[in-house]
Amino acid sequence: LAKTTQPISMDSYEGQEVNITCSHNNIATNDYITWYQQFPSQGPRFIIQGYKTKVTNEVASLFIPADRKSSTLSLPRVSLSDTAVYYCLVGRSNDYKLSFGAGTTVTVRA
Amino acid sequence: DTAVSQTPKYLVTQMGNDKSIKCEQNLGHDTMYWYKQDSKKFLKIMFSYNNKELIINETVPNRFSPKSPDKAHLNLHINSLELGDSAVYFCASSRAEGYGYGYTFGSGTRLTVV
Repeated sequence: LAKTTQPISMDSYEGQEVNITCSHNNIATNDYITWYQQFPSQGPRFIIQGYKTKVTNEVASLFIPADRKSSTLSLPRVSLSDTAVYYCLVGRSNDYKLSFGAGTTVTVRA
Repeated sequence: DTAVSQTPKYLVTQMGNDKSIKCEQNLGHDTMYWYKQDSKKFLKIMFSYNNKELIINETVPNRFSPKSPDKAHLNLHINSLELGDSAVYFCASSRAEGYGYGYTFGSGTRLTVV
């Protein structure tokens, strides 16, 4: 798996947009970029996946530049319930060895 | 109608004991996994089973033995528990295609060895 680097923590306030950037300089041609969210005392939850350009769903947007060496997860108008750890992963569709780094702890304050 | 369920949620036991954690998924997925999350939040894969067959064993001590009676169940048995085994263990499942289609995790089992 391509190694990823993301900030350890980020603080925000309710109603703000939170952008978490993940670096993956060694991403391979067949690799996808996936983000997971983990709340305390729960398992990680898949939130979004992309290959290039922009992907948007009801939870977040994922921006991937043309060189794919980084990606940015955007959480619009966060609320207190968005406080969680966010993991960036890079790998290919037949990779069974998904491992997570320390992630980014996002804390949303009132 | 929990997608991936594991039991127990909490497990406190003494060193040297043997314990099991059970996992069941009702998603019809072909692949199941066990992950260990340490205190620094790193999630490391331990085992992966595809259609009841072991496909990944990530250098886990022999004291850990997974068992998959069918593709909907993957249990984890741990012998001679040690203090360093204390962690949160997560079960997960995915389609046979693996990573590309996302993983569904259970809520975890917090194991404390005293």
